[in-house]
Amino acid sequence: AQTVTQSQPEMSVQEAETVTLSCTYDTSESNYYLFWYKQPPSRQMILVIRQEAYKQQNATENRFSVNFQKAAKSFSLKISDSQLGDTAMYFCAFTHFGNEKLTFGTGTRLTIIP
Amino acid sequence: SQTIHQWPATLVQPVGSPLSLECTVEGTSNPNLYWYRQAAGRGLQLLFYSVGIGQISSEVPQNLSASRPQDLQFILSSKKLLLSDSGFYLCAWSLARGHEQYFGPGTRLTVT
Repeated sequence: AQTVTQSQPEMSVQEAETVTLSCTYDTSESNYYLFWYKQPPSRQMILVIRQEAYKQQNATENRFSVNFQKAAKSFSLKISDSQLGDTAMYFCAFTHFGNEKLTFGTGTRLTIIP
Repeated sequence: SQTIHQWPATLVQPVGSPLSLECTVEGTSNPNLYWYRQAAGRGLQLLFYSVGIGQISSEVPQNLSASRPQDLQFILSSKKLLLSDSGFYLCAWSLARGHEQYFGPGTRLTVT
């Protein structure tokens, strides 16, 4: 069974700083996808970034980037120049090719301090 | 572009009353559809998913049921609500298997 582990229940950083959220996963599949979702106080889940396992290049989306270490089964999210609007719960998620379902981690609550 | 709607946004219902939450998607066809529940401060629990009209898979045996009467409509129902049904309900869609899911704004349900 696939599992996703987020070991940091809560984090806080000063505005404009860089923060890294950790995620590890366990799977026996070789072809899979990884995602980071953001859930702000409004509680709508927003896709932040996706990574295909077959791609060696780390995905980036503006201030958001990932460090994908396939051998270590690690998928961390780096937020650069953090902004107050980045305050949210962040969920790491995994699915393998051909699967209908996502497996989510338990989330990291990130607070950006002004 | 695709959009996903959920209603109502907020609902307060007494124990034992019925429930109907609706989710609709626009701008795509034959998506996979999902219902999740999220307790306060917790992760997401997958309740049901559907890969086509009339095709429902249940993940957790419980007091709830789901139906997909049209391609882009997904309904979550209960005949008699329990206190434990309180929570935040999220609908999501995906284009295909193994792809990212896109979520609706959610429904906050309080059973009193």
